[in-house]
Amino acid sequence: QSALTQPRSVSGSPGQSVTISCTGTSSDVGNYNYVSWYQQHPGKAPKLIIYDVIKRPSGVPDRFSGSKSGNTASLTISGLQAEDEADYYCFSYAGSYTWVFGGGTKLTVL
Amino acid sequence: QLQLQESGPGLVKPSETLSLTCTVSGGSVSSSTYYWGWIRQAPGKGLEWVGSLFYARNTYYNPSLNSRVSISVDTSKNQFSLKLTSVTAADTAVYSCATSRLGNYYLEYWGQGTLVTVSS
Repeated sequence: QSALTQPRSVSGSPGQSVTISCTGTSSDVGNYNYVSWYQQHPGKAPKLIIYDVIKRPSGVPDRFSGSKSGNTASLTISGLQAEDEADYYCFSYAGSYTWVFGGGTKLTVL
Repeated sequence: QLQLQESGPGLVKPSETLSLTCTVSGGSVSSSTYYWGWIRQAPGKGLEWVGSLFYARNTYYNPSLNSRVSISVDTSKNQFSLKLTSVTAADTAVYSCATSRLGNYYLEYWGQGTLVTVSS
């Protein structure tokens, strides 16, 4: 069970859009629509921002959206704001009641 | 709303057993509504799923830790626990407990996490 692959860092200016990819295999991301995304600010607990690939929990702005194609899931943040600067992690069900995280992506708002 | 709080020693010696407890409020660890899990994050590293507990008895673990890890529940205290044996410096991490409703394949509620350092 290997960690899902995410870019180590992405950046964008306020108002722009950024997309973070999360690549797994046909045993995890590609086989289940159970990819979730978490936002983590330094020293804080992760916060769920996307679940089941495309769904947003109540209270999460619609600037955050998720998608999936094959073995790769993506998180898109549109209309970047300064407070979006954080680490982002994908998380996928991998079958047999096991899960796997991505390595994390640091988003810098320029 | 569920609240989770981790507790346990902040320092463990190499080769010993790491033991942490997660105290649950706002719900019951013995209920068939939620499942419970542990996640860790080594300093400067990413999140790692450690394992999960279903129905107070069915456990599933990260294959990389499988032989050293166990998760159990204490219904009398409304807590669930993590034990990791034969620890090394590589097990130094912030350990967090988390939960979600059965049928959900994501982690809905998280504790704040507790740092465990493995050092002599």
